[in-house]
Amino acid sequence: DAKTTQPPSMDCAEGRAANLPCNHSTISGNEYVYWYRQIHSQGPQYIIHGLKNNETNEMASLIITEDRKSSTLILPHATLRDTAVYYCIVRVAILREGAQKLVFGQGTRLTINP
Amino acid sequence: GAVVSQHPSWVICKSGTSVKIECRSLDFQATTMFWYRQFPKQSLMLMATSNEGSKATYEQGVEKDKFLINHASLTLSTLTVTSAHPEDSSFYICSARSRGGLAVYEQYFGPGTRLTVT
Repeated sequence: DAKTTQPPSMDCAEGRAANLPCNHSTISGNEYVYWYRQIHSQGPQYIIHGLKNNETNEMASLIITEDRKSSTLILPHATLRDTAVYYCIVRVAILREGAQKLVFGQGTRLTINP
Repeated sequence: GAVVSQHPSWVICKSGTSVKIECRSLDFQATTMFWYRQFPKQSLMLMATSNEGSKATYEQGVEKDKFLINHASLTLSTLTVTSAHPEDSSFYICSARSRGGLAVYEQYFGPGTRLTVT
């Protein structure tokens, strides 16, 4: 799986959009970009995933560059409850039996300030 | 999304004793379960992968005789930390993949169990 690089920490004001970058310059054609977040002392929570088109759901938007070497997770109106560690993970979408690992990097610690 | 529970949510035990942590998929059948460990201010580290009815596959550096994993049914996996020591104190998180689920996002995480060994 391609490796990802994320800034270790970011701050954002409550009510503003939080934009979290992720670099994945070695991503291959069949690899998707997934985002999870982990609120303190809880299990990770799935946010969104995408291949090459921009994606949006009720939680966030995912913008993937045309060359797919980087992406940005956007939380449009951040709240205090969005304070968490956000993980960007690159994985093939269809998992073969035996190739089922979800490996987490260091992530970005996002702090939403009032 | 599907729900994964863990029990207990926290446990304190004495050095040398064994502790069992349960992971249950509440509303789906999990053919594969994963166990992660997380130390303070660090990321999740995958410990092992278990398939129902099969022996678990451990990641490099994880002692299989110390961390016993049993995945006896499609809804239950257990992790037993044997002869626990203070360095085993950590946050243990399980994750379950639903039967027939092939996409990564069909992997659901439990709330975690905080183990403290005194």
